[in-house]
Amino acid sequence: AQSVSQHNHHVILSEAASLELGCNYSYGGTVNLFWYVQYPGQHLQLLLKYFSGDPLVKGIKGFEAEFIKSKFSFNLRKPSVQWSDTAEYFCAVNRKTGANNLFFGTGTRLTVIP
Amino acid sequence: GAVVSQHPSRVICKSGTSVKIECRSLDFQATTMFWYRQFPKQSLMLMATSNEGSKATYEQGVEKDKFLINHASLTLSTLTVTSAHPEDSSFYICSATGSGGAGYEQYFGPGTRLTVT
Repeated sequence: AQSVSQHNHHVILSEAASLELGCNYSYGGTVNLFWYVQYPGQHLQLLLKYFSGDPLVKGIKGFEAEFIKSKFSFNLRKPSVQWSDTAEYFCAVNRKTGANNLFFGTGTRLTVIP
Repeated sequence: GAVVSQHPSRVICKSGTSVKIECRSLDFQATTMFWYRQFPKQSLMLMATSNEGSKATYEQGVEKDKFLINHASLTLSTLTVTSAHPEDSSFYICSATGSGGAGYEQYFGPGTRLTVT
């Protein structure tokens, strides 16, 4: 069965600090990978996605993620966080073939202190 | 970009009654819609997948007779929680995708918070 693990439940950073949120997945086949963000009181928004090609993908708002196939990981990074990055971040995967329903990790709450 | 709306945003109902939640794709045709449930401080759990004009596919452990899903058009899917109980209180989120096949981006609605008293 597919599973997605996000090891950090709550991360607290000061503005300008660097961010790295871990995501590991478990699945025997090939997958597509996503990071979603949920700002307080708002709906889920796509930050970035990886389907194929360059394993380092860049998303909106200065975020990037690197797919490391050997480690089954897709960690999210940002060199310098801002107070407005305070939100809940979800890693998700789906299969490349067949049904495209998403499997989500448990989420990481990021709090950025001004 | 693609927009998905949900109505209502919040609903409070009494135990034993039924509640209908609507999910609409406003500017695209949604061939597939997904219904998720999110418990406090937990992740989204997929409840069911619905394709326009066909019966929904429910995830294991989700009662199809309790959570009725109808995807009658390419822009509307509804989730009806029948005979609601307090344990059904949760945040229900729908998403939609406009193309078939794996990997296409899902666009999420803002969610509906259901409270059963």
